[in-house]
This record gives sequence, structure tokens and C-alpha cells, in this order.
Amino acid sequence: NAGVTQTPKFQVLKTGQSMTLQCAQDMNHNSMYWYRQDPGMGLRLIYYSASEGTTDKGEVPNGYNVSRLNKREFSLRLESAAPSQTSVYFCAMKEGGGFTEAFFGQGTRLTVV
Amino acid sequence: DQQVKQNSPSLSVQEGRISILNCDYTNSMFDYFLWYKKYPAEGPTFLISISSIKDKNEDGRFTVFLNKSAKHLSLHIVPSQPGDSAVYFCAASDNSGGSNYKLTFGKGTLLTVNP
Repeated sequence: NAGVTQTPKFQVLKTGQSMTLQCAQDMNHNSMYWYRQDPGMGLRLIYYSASEGTTDKGEVPNGYNVSRLNKREFSLRLESAAPSQTSVYFCAMKEGGGFTEAFFGQGTRLTVV
Repeated sequence: DQQVKQNSPSLSVQEGRISILNCDYTNSMFDYFLWYKKYPAEGPTFLISISSIKDKNEDGRFTVFLNKSAKHLSLHIVPSQPGDSAVYFCAASDNSGGSNYKLTFGKGTLLTVNP
């Protein structure tokens, strides 16, 4: 998964705490994404950024906010964590729209107790 | 409303035999399809893709077939190897309206290749 770096790799939060998941890419791709993976649910899109300065909601945006800080970085923030947000979070990047594949980071395993 | 469906949660095959993973979709506007492989504790990695103007794409041991009329695609792995044991995700995108940035994923199929 070279090219997309996620931090932290693991995190345990208490209900109501806040945190920011960081993602950085070094392939100069325009588009970046946040997905969550839950057992039996596949990969669900939370938010995405088609290009620097733009962000859009995906399939499951409630409870999250994002910031496209610059072309390299796309962060995901949980303002008040809930147990339902326990999941594995993946950041991805893609060279624009169209017929291209996305490259994923290694993931952040988040547990909210 | 699930637009990309992988109806088999798991599949088990013998080493050396063919693995066939299936994927169905409901959105007729999807025109680009991808397969990803995911090992435990790692991110998904791109495996192979196909655009809707083709019905087959081959890359080594991996072949993807697309049947647009049936809204069905399949991934064939021949011969299967124990290292192929992983979760396989099918994904699709709709590029008809210009640049589309979203990939829609299925729930995945766990493939186990037995030695």
C-alpha cells in the first residue's frame, strides 16, 4: 500500500471523545477518500474529495467531518465518538475520476467503548 | 439499496483448481468494474479491472468476465494458490456524467484455497 499513509494504526476512544484520523499520500493524485469497513458490510464511503478544496458526502457521512488540508492530506474527524463508529477506516487516493483504480492505505482500527 | 452485490460470503477451493467469484450489480449506468483483494490487517489492493466496452480482461492467472445484459461479472483465478486466500471485493463506478469519483463496493467474498 505504498503511497498512502494513515495514522494512527490503532486507537481506543471513550464514548463522547473526539479524534482526527490522518491520511497523507505521496503520489500527487487529485482525489482522496475515506471508507469504513464493518463485518458483513463491505467498504462504505464516508466522504471524498475530488480535488483540493472540495469535499462531498458519501454513503455514511453522519457523525464525521473531513478536511482536505492540501493536495497531500485528507483528515477525518469524529467530534463525539459513538460505539457505532467502531470500525476499520481506510483512506484511499485516485487519479481523478473516470476509469482509474483507487489505492488504499493500511487502515486505522478504531474502537469506541 | 445495495447496488453491488456479492452473494457468496465465502468460497473454498483446492489448490490448483479454478476459483470463480461472482458479482452482480443493479445500476445500469455502471461502466467500470474493479476487483480488489484484501488480506487481514492490510488495506485492499487493486487486482484487475474492466470497462463496459469489453467482456473480458485477462492478467496472468486472473480473468474478469463482464455480462452487461445480465449485470453480472465474475473473477476467475486459475490455477488457485494458497496465497490467493483473501477477501475479494467487487467495485463499480458510473462515469457517464463526466468525471465520477466514487467507487461503490460489494460486501466481499472470503476465498480460502486449501493446499
